[in-house]
Amino acid sequence: QLQLQQSGPGLVKPSETLSLTCTVSGVSISSSGYYWGWIRQSPGKGLEWIGSIYYSGSTYYNPSLRSRVTMSVDTSKNQFSLKVNSVTAADTAVYYCVRDSGGAPPGSSWYPGESWGQGTLVTVSS
Amino acid sequence: QSVLTQPPSVSEAPRQRVTISCSGSSSNIEYNAVNWYQQLPGKAPKLLIYYNDLLPSGVSDRFSGSKSGTSASLAISGLQSEDEADYYCAVWDDSLNGPVFGGGTKLTVL
Repeated sequence: QLQLQQSGPGLVKPSETLSLTCTVSGVSISSSGYYWGWIRQSPGKGLEWIGSIYYSGSTYYNPSLRSRVTMSVDTSKNQFSLKVNSVTAADTAVYYCVRDSGGAPPGSSWYPGESWGQGTLVTVSS
Repeated sequence: QSVLTQPPSVSEAPRQRVTISCSGSSSNIEYNAVNWYQQLPGKAPKLLIYYNDLLPSGVSDRFSGSKSGTSASLAISGLQSEDEADYYCAVWDDSLNGPVFGGGTKLTVL
């Protein structure tokens, strides 16, 4: 059974880098054919797609966040990660790692969040 | 302000039927598939409907989705207290080149 376990600090200082990791169990990231992503939820902006990554390393980012976001995958650890640099208070949110739909890259034949991690509240504050 | 418009709240009595609307545009709903998510209090969202009207395994058939033009709807029949949750629509937006979510609708079962 698929499980997504998130880890990372819950408090980040302004201008620093937010880093989160999602460890996948129950399925191999590299053999599943699915995309893996991050979605965040803040009171002010609701649910927001951050980006998605394939096991090969192909990435798709929200255009509004692309300049500050980096996603990576470590198939040997069955993990994928998120980094958001130069954070501000506006980046305060619950961050979810997700398994997206499989079979197609992000686009009209794909959808995010087929399965969700438990969520991590990340607060940006000094 | 979300690209997709949902009513902030809806309410209905147990065992009744309720619909939640999601209004978009030609750059999203009209030509792309709509998905719906349910978020129970204090929990992560869960996929409820995908590709407009398909139910993932394990989702009750009391839930159904439909789409017409630039709008989509989620219907819940035989309302139960455990259906109290926030519901979100989502769809790929061709102009923004990414998926967008509605602002969410809070369902109260009276």
